[in-house]
Amino acid sequence: EPEVTQTPSHQVTQMGQEVILRCVPISNHLYFYWYRQILGQKVEFLVSFYNNEISEKSEIFDDQFSVERPDGSNFTLKIRSTKLEDSAMYFCASGQLTTNEKLFFGSGTQLSVL
Amino acid sequence: GENVEQHPSTLSVQEGDSAVIKCTYSDSASNYFPWYKQELGKRPQLIIDIRSNVGEKKDQRIAVTLNKTAKHFSLHITETQPEDSAVYFCAASGNAGKSTFGDGTTLTVKP
Repeated sequence: EPEVTQTPSHQVTQMGQEVILRCVPISNHLYFYWYRQILGQKVEFLVSFYNNEISEKSEIFDDQFSVERPDGSNFTLKIRSTKLEDSAMYFCASGQLTTNEKLFFGSGTQLSVL
Repeated sequence: GENVEQHPSTLSVQEGDSAVIKCTYSDSASNYFPWYKQELGKRPQLIIDIRSNVGEKKDQRIAVTLNKTAKHFSLHITETQPEDSAVYFCAASGNAGKSTFGDGTTLTVKP
């Protein structure tokens, strides 16, 4: 069964550094998402991406965040200058054209900002 | 925006008993309601979902009911087993695909 893959599984960085989290969505999916989950809390929406542009973003997704689909397979989340409060599990998800609300989650990247 | 409330936050049952988790949502435009099971350190795993044109859906020991008028939906797990122990999240979504999650319910099934 096709899966969304994310790399790396763990990322440790110093406050103020830039990080890029990578995702390979399922190949025939056209909707892409980033969610985050702070330890012990709920899953929070960050951004949705369709047709090479952001379709919706949350208040969390401020100017420090950006997304990109640099080629036909990868979908990346960049945090320009990390803060301590960015420490969380980041999940990528993708959805099909006809049932885009049904999310297929990746296994996540645990980001730790020191 | 959408707001999803989930109750209870923790639920402990004896093996073989039933478990019920309830969620309410605020946006009448939401039309898709998935339930996820999440084990520690793992991704949310879709266990059942329901669309707004359906009132009830069942898959073996798991069922979901939806009351559109009252804007609430519930997860029912029958004949619970220890391996059902996990955190369960409800969510609500509209056509744009953005899902709003509830706060989660930690289910413990005691053998």
